[in-house]
Amino acid sequence: GENVEQHPSTLSVQEGDSAVIKCTYSDSASNYFPWYKQELGKRPQLIIDIRSNVGEKKDQRIAVTLNKTAKHFSLHITETQPEDSAVYFCAVPSGGYNKLIFGAGTRLAVHP
Amino acid sequence: DAGVIQSPRHEVTEMGQEVTLRCKPISGHDYLFWYRQTMMRGLELLIYFNNNVPIDDSGMPEDRFSAKMPNASFSTLKIQPSEPRDSAVYFCASSFLSSGSEAFFGQGTRLTVV
Repeated sequence: GENVEQHPSTLSVQEGDSAVIKCTYSDSASNYFPWYKQELGKRPQLIIDIRSNVGEKKDQRIAVTLNKTAKHFSLHITETQPEDSAVYFCAVPSGGYNKLIFGAGTRLAVHP
Repeated sequence: DAGVIQSPRHEVTEMGQEVTLRCKPISGHDYLFWYRQTMMRGLELLIYFNNNVPIDDSGMPEDRFSAKMPNASFSTLKIQPSEPRDSAVYFCASSFLSSGSEAFFGQGTRLTVV
């Protein structure tokens, strides 16, 4: 089955700095790569996703880059703000496309 | 649509008791997932359904766990008998289409087995 590794497990940055979280996967057939954000006590929610036919996608301060050859994709958050503090999960489909396997999560803390 | 609806939000039960968690997916979605979240193991996929049919239950930890989806608008996850190590947040999620798409999560059920 799919093996998903996410790094780092925790990340602490100053407000205004950038944050990068990386995810590696094992199934070269995977073609959909979402990132979810989970605030404390809340549900995971999709913040950005990318499909394998593009290498990068941006949405305001967040972006995702994909390297299919190396089988990894990354979440980039620029100009971080305290409200970006949360746990971020990458996910990769395994087997059937809709069977999402989640990474272990990265706890991001943005300090004012 | 009100989103994915789970009940109860919190459940405290004694070891050995039966627990039933409920989920109403978003109308029109054809996939439904049950996940379990703990600090130690993160978000684990327990089972998922497509058009009410269980497709993959390889994540169900033991025979004590069972899940059903009698129709397109309702699913249950049952634990019988419950054990303290079952304490976790259980999320139900639904999605549409089979080519990779957003999974919408419910608010979760926080289960505590004492």
